[in-house]
Amino acid sequence: GENVEQHPSTLSVQEGDSAVIKCTYSDSASNYFPWYKQELGKRPQLIIDIRSNVGEKKDQRIAVTLNKTAKHFSLHITETQPEDSAVYFCAATLGGGADGLTFGKGTHLIIQP
Amino acid sequence: DAGITQSPRHKVTETGTPVTLRCHQTENHRYMYWYRQDPGHGLRLIHYSYGVKDTDKGEVSDGYSVSRSKTEDFLLTLESATSSQTSVYFCAISANEKLFFGSGTQLSVL
Repeated sequence: GENVEQHPSTLSVQEGDSAVIKCTYSDSASNYFPWYKQELGKRPQLIIDIRSNVGEKKDQRIAVTLNKTAKHFSLHITETQPEDSAVYFCAATLGGGADGLTFGKGTHLIIQP
Repeated sequence: DAGITQSPRHKVTETGTPVTLRCHQTENHRYMYWYRQDPGHGLRLIHYSYGVKDTDKGEVSDGYSVSRSKTEDFLLTLESATSSQTSVYFCAISANEKLFFGSGTQLSVL
């Protein structure tokens, strides 16, 4: 089955700086890669996703890049703000997710004022 | 919230007792999932369903069973709860090939 590794487990950045979280996956057939944000005590919420036919996708201050050859994908957050503090999870799956997503173990992003 | 309701929101039970968690959706989605979330492990798939009476095992299915007798309800049962099943349980649905989560159930097994 799929295996997703996520790094770092904790990331502390100054407000206004950029943050990058990286994930690798094992199954070269995986074709859908979403990112979720989870605030303390809340549900995970989808913030951005990318499919294997696209190399990069951007939505305001967040972007995701995908390198299929190396089997890794990354989340980039620019101009970080206090409300970006949360745990972020990457995931991967085949076939649009019908069989469920395999998640990384999460990155706790801390925005320092 | 993608029309997903989980119940109960919190439960405390004793080792060896049966426990059933309920996930209810209002938007007729075909695919439903149960995940557990534990510190250091992220979210792990327990079971999923692709239609009424159609279910399959996920990564951590031992000790759990599921049932889906109606499209809108997906039940997760712990036949005999153990302390290792203390966790936060999230139900999810797939809509337009994207997963959306319910609010979660905090289960403590003492």
